[in-house]
Amino acid sequence: ETGVTQTPRHLVMGMTNKKSLKCEQHLGHNAMYWYKQSAKKPLELMFVYSLEERVENNSVPSRFSPECPNSSHLFLHLHTLQPEDSALYLCASSSRPSGGEYNEQFFGPGTRLTVL
Amino acid sequence: GQQLNQSPQSMFIQEGEDVSMNCTSSSIFNTWLWYKQDPGEGPVLLIALYKAGELTSNGRLTAQFGITRKDSFLNISASIPSDVGIYFCAGQIGGGADGLTFGKGTHLIIQP
Repeated sequence: ETGVTQTPRHLVMGMTNKKSLKCEQHLGHNAMYWYKQSAKKPLELMFVYSLEERVENNSVPSRFSPECPNSSHLFLHLHTLQPEDSALYLCASSSRPSGGEYNEQFFGPGTRLTVL
Repeated sequence: GQQLNQSPQSMFIQEGEDVSMNCTSSSIFNTWLWYKQDPGEGPVLLIALYKAGELTSNGRLTAQFGITRKDSFLNISASIPSDVGIYFCAGQIGGGADGLTFGKGTHLIIQP
């Protein structure tokens, strides 16, 4: 596997289900991100992990729970979601140098989530 | 929060035509980026801009970072069928591992 992979690619769940999205990066990066892409809306940053510590949480509802067990893996645990949470969830990764310059974020293909 | 206003929302052009799209913001960004997203894929970086006024090319693509750091344009010359997709502008205020703020995207459609 190369780049950033996400599983599953498609997920349909009921509002009472609990599911998890998985992201894996094979690029040796140490920062990982979750973005939400809804129809006709800009990509929205949800969570940022740098060196496996959460550094940014953009006021995301608690029904979304991220987990970053190591620098290569990122999970998004889902529980009691609402239909309006249906969207494409994109994972990205980047390296993090000390200089503060932008480091390209490489995106995975996303998980298309439908909440019934 | 920060917002990027991207226009046009969609473009219908003939193959071979040139394309221009732009983004504006009320906030200053340190870095400005242009991404392209194909169906079923995540966004892929096309061009990154770091300095105010910077003009950068990548093949048939040219992008410029506005002098005020609040706007940018992307031009595509001599469009080809594989240019079809959604183009996003994005900005980063800080650096390093900071998240990105995205525009709503420009959907480019090439008519035969």
